[in-house]
Amino acid sequence: GAVVSQHPSRVICKSGTSVKIECRSLDFQATTMFWYRQFPKQSLMLMATSNEGSKATYEQGVEKDKFLINHASLTLSTLTVTSAHPEDSSFYICSAYPAGTNYGYTFGSGTRLTVV
Amino acid sequence: QKEVEQNSGPLSVPEGAIASLNCTYSDRGSQSFFWYRQYSGKSPELIMFIYSNGDKEDGRFTAQLNKASQYVSLLIRDSQPSDSATYLCAALRGKLSFGAGTTVTVRA
Repeated sequence: GAVVSQHPSRVICKSGTSVKIECRSLDFQATTMFWYRQFPKQSLMLMATSNEGSKATYEQGVEKDKFLINHASLTLSTLTVTSAHPEDSSFYICSAYPAGTNYGYTFGSGTRLTVV
Repeated sequence: QKEVEQNSGPLSVPEGAIASLNCTYSDRGSQSFFWYRQYSGKSPELIMFIYSNGDKEDGRFTAQLNKASQYVSLLIRDSQPSDSATYLCAALRGKLSFGAGTTVTVRA
């Protein structure tokens, strides 16, 4: 099956610093990856669609200058939370879809970000 | 109107019983529908997907799709305590839209 690896699983950072989260497709190529955010007891909210070799597409209300996305290869997308604030504390999850398969969207294990 | 709506729950069922989860979607252009299971603090894992009207069975799980009614359901037969989780319904049209989830508790 399709495997998506996400790192780190948990990070604590100070307000004002930046944090980078990596998402890798391990056994397939992903021209598109998706970044979600989930607050406690809420559902997943799509933040942006990461496109290999081109700019990411951000959902309405998501600040592209704050959440920097880079999709430099067919197996790696990164999300950088810049100048993090406590309200950015959340569970960030990436996902990808191996084209031509029946695996559906596979999710990474998620990153629990806590900004103190 | 939310794109995907689920019965809010929580849903409590005794072990061995059938758990029934419901989901409706607003976009008639949605092509495929997914059920994910999410344990607390973990990321979602795919249980089933369905894209044709009717039933689709996989082990103890049965997904049902009725495009005319814009309705998707998931039945969990012989519920086990390990099935206790939040179940997310998602509809795909270019991107996945998720419902808020239904929390299921299976009582031993």
